[in-house]
Amino acid sequence: NAGVTQTPKFQVLKTGQSMTLQCAQDMNHNSMYWYRQDPGMGLRLIYYSASEGTTDKGEVPNGYNVSRLNKREFSLRLESAAPSQTSVYFCASSGTGTLGTGELFFGEGSRLTVL
Amino acid sequence: DAKTTQPNSMESNEEEPVHLPCNHSTISGTDYIHWYRQLPSQGPEYVIHGLTSNVNNRMASLAIAEDRKSSTLILHRATLRDAAVYYCILRVQTGANNLFFGTGTRLTVIP
Repeated sequence: NAGVTQTPKFQVLKTGQSMTLQCAQDMNHNSMYWYRQDPGMGLRLIYYSASEGTTDKGEVPNGYNVSRLNKREFSLRLESAAPSQTSVYFCASSGTGTLGTGELFFGEGSRLTVL
Repeated sequence: DAKTTQPNSMESNEEEPVHLPCNHSTISGTDYIHWYRQLPSQGPEYVIHGLTSNVNNRMASLAIAEDRKSSTLILHRATLRDAAVYYCILRVQTGANNLFFGTGTRLTVIP
């Protein structure tokens, strides 16, 4: 039972390089999310996808793009990385956004350093 | 986005109860109160949630004030494995279930 799987776990980039963080979930969840966490801070929402085929901006979307490839996969792309994007990135998923639990399941995180 | 206020840090002795407070004075009538915790070098994990009534599960209890402007997460017997950052979050009623995290309370458990 893998849950939410993120790759890569660690990445070092130079300023201006591009990369894609991959996320996959095996719980048949409709909603998926990308968060970033800076040192000593809480998580901030970058983008989310309420269901397959839809994506919406969160609190800090600038500098990022996302793709909801299918129900299982939600990728985060940095087109031109900047040092300010050095952070730990978390992918999460949850079931249908009803008045139910709304519990989010998180991956283990991807630590990105931009030099 | 709805805001919560938590103490930056708390300490507890092992095997004693822990009460983690949270203020959310701007809560709206349809906002759920969620708690997550984050162990070192891991992603957050769900602890408990509630709307108006107190809630219990295998991990913790959630006590919600009658006016819903504050809540308390109760760990009945703290263990060393409970040392983590605990986040109190209001789940706003959007279509995507997104949650807005603050900086949380860092709980230290003393052996």
